[in-house]
Amino acid sequence: DIQMTQSPSSLSASVGDRVTITCRASQSISTYLNWYQQKPGKAPKLLINAASSLQSGVPSRFTGSGSGTDFALTISSLQPEDFATYYCQQTYNTPQTFGQGTKLEIK
Amino acid sequence: EVQLVQSGAEVKKPGESLKISCKGSGYSFTNSWIGWVRQMPGKGLEWMGIIYPGDSDSRYSPSFQGQVTISVDKSISTAYLQWGSLKASDTAMYYCARQGVSGSGNYKRYQFDHWGQGTLVTVSS
Repeated sequence: DIQMTQSPSSLSASVGDRVTITCRASQSISTYLNWYQQKPGKAPKLLINAASSLQSGVPSRFTGSGSGTDFALTISSLQPEDFATYYCQQTYNTPQTFGQGTKLEIK
Repeated sequence: EVQLVQSGAEVKKPGESLKISCKGSGYSFTNSWIGWVRQMPGKGLEWMGIIYPGDSDSRYSPSFQGQVTISVDKSISTAYLQWGSLKASDTAMYYCARQGVSGSGNYKRYQFDHWGQGTLVTVSS
């Protein structure tokens, strides 16, 4: 199985901050990498697919980058609604593993 | 509008069997893979497996192979996740999700672009 490792596991930040979450794959996955946002009690929501392609309706303050084994999700200016847990997922092969998640909390 | 509607919460005893469902609408059900994802209380997302409704081809995570069965009834656009003998450790929220496809050729990529609302399964004696 491909292991996906996110860092940090949790992050405390303020509204307006720029934050970056990283995701590392245990082997090269090209750009078969997705990012999801999950809020408490809700289903995950797809933010970015193919490492850097922003989904329709997702604010442009979200940016995805990377290829191969190293990826990043950057939020340029945190808004109150961005405080949530973020997951990366590889779809290079099955099982299509998720990272362990990064909980973004308000400072 | 693409929708995935899951069956309601379940409370079961250890050793009981269970089958939960996920009904798709608003798209061609037979042409998109459907996956199942587990989320144990306070924990992260775990990819369980995936099925192609067109021919019932399925893939499982080794962690869940033999523990659950994923199936589909394409006549009613519904995917299922079932257990033969539940354990307390099966207590979790279970999500189904449609795997969308973007791009083409070497740039074809896959992602869970629509999700069900989740089914909470509680297993307790």
